[in-house]
Amino acid sequence: LAKTTQPISMDSYEGQEVNITCSHNNIATNDYITWYQQFPSQGPRFIIQGYKTKVTNEVASLFIPADRKSSTLSLPRVSLSDTAVYYCLVGDEYGGSQGNLIFGKGTKLSVKP
Amino acid sequence: DAGITQSPRHKVTETGTPVTLRCHQTENHRYMYWYRQDPGHGLRLIHYSYGVKDTDKGEVSDGYSVSRSKTEDFLLTLESATSSQTSVYFCAIRTGTGSTDTQYFGPGTRLTVL
Repeated sequence: LAKTTQPISMDSYEGQEVNITCSHNNIATNDYITWYQQFPSQGPRFIIQGYKTKVTNEVASLFIPADRKSSTLSLPRVSLSDTAVYYCLVGDEYGGSQGNLIFGKGTKLSVKP
Repeated sequence: DAGITQSPRHKVTETGTPVTLRCHQTENHRYMYWYRQDPGHGLRLIHYSYGVKDTDKGEVSDGYSVSRSKTEDFLLTLESATSSQTSVYFCAIRTGTGSTDTQYFGPGTRLTVL
């Protein structure tokens, strides 16, 4: 199983760009990297997913180097409402009978005024 | 929210009491999951299902059982609740079966075992 390691917490200010890096040294060839966001008292919410290089959507960008042993979630110009816990996940044998994702402890991002 | 509902949303019960939590989906997804979330632990998988009557254990399955008699419902049962099972429980569905799939989570059930 490809486990992930990410910082426990990060602080930022409104308007700044925030980069959260996740390491996944044992990522398998078929694994995709997925990031989730969780607000207090809510379930996690899908943000972005990628396999290699760069992926961008309306919420964030995901940078994945060629060796795929790490990935960086980039949140442009954060606001107070981006305060949440961010989870980096790597898929487990998708296509087989399992398909369960492994959640780490996540990174608690605090955005200050 | 991918049509996922959980019931009840809040429950307080006593040690030794059986408890069943229900997850209901409206979009006919094959995979369904039960997680628990506790401070300092993030989300941990309890059980999951890959079809009707097809279930398997996750990381923290002891003390829990599940059933899936219909595609749309995935039930989590605590046969005899203990205080260590006080937690927030999330149900999730997975869209499809490929590597690019994602999971969508329900609103959660806050369970307190006294």
